[in-house]
Amino acid sequence: GENVEQHPSTLSVQEGDSAVIKCTYSDSASNYFPWYKQELGKGPQLIIDIRSNVGEKKDQRIAVTLNKTAKHFSLHITETQPEDSAVYFCAASKGGSYIPTFGRGTSLIVHP
Amino acid sequence: SAVISQKPSRDICQRGTSLTIQCQVDSQVTMMFWYRQQPGQSLTLIATANQGSEATYESGFVIDKFPISRPNLTFSTLTVSNMSPEDSSIYLCSDSQGSGTEAFFGQGTRLTVV
Repeated sequence: GENVEQHPSTLSVQEGDSAVIKCTYSDSASNYFPWYKQELGKGPQLIIDIRSNVGEKKDQRIAVTLNKTAKHFSLHITETQPEDSAVYFCAASKGGSYIPTFGRGTSLIVHP
Repeated sequence: SAVISQKPSRDICQRGTSLTIQCQVDSQVTMMFWYRQQPGQSLTLIATANQGSEATYESGFVIDKFPISRPNLTFSTLTVSNMSPEDSSIYLCSDSQGSGTEAFFGQGTRLTVV
């Protein structure tokens, strides 16, 4: 089955800095890669996703890149703000399987 | 996206008892799922809730411990039976419209067993 590795487990940055979270996946058939943000006491919220037919996608301060050859994808957050502090999960799924495989999560801490 | 309402949001239960968690979606969805998230950990899929039939359980989870119902396309329940402190966790309901589409989550139920 699919295996998703996520790094780092903890990331501490100063407000205004950029943050990068990286994930690798094992199944070359995976073609859908969502990212979730989970704030304390809440359920995960989808913040951005990317499909295998594109290499990069941006939404304001958030961007995701995908390298299918290397089987890795990354989340980039620019101009970080304290409200970006949360746990971020990457995931991967493939056509015919509607169940994503999640990474172990990254705790992002943005210091004001 | 469908809005998912999950209740209760939290509960403290005595060991040996059972708790039923409800998940209501505001529109019909194809797939509904139940996850467990232990403290500081990632999400572990318990089962897929199938409308009108028995749920499909992942390895390590059994129907006797986690009975699931899904009577229609907008509602599902998960029961945590004969609870022990090891069942203390966050339980999350999720929905999806199918393969390769977004999955959305409820706010979770934080369960503490004492």
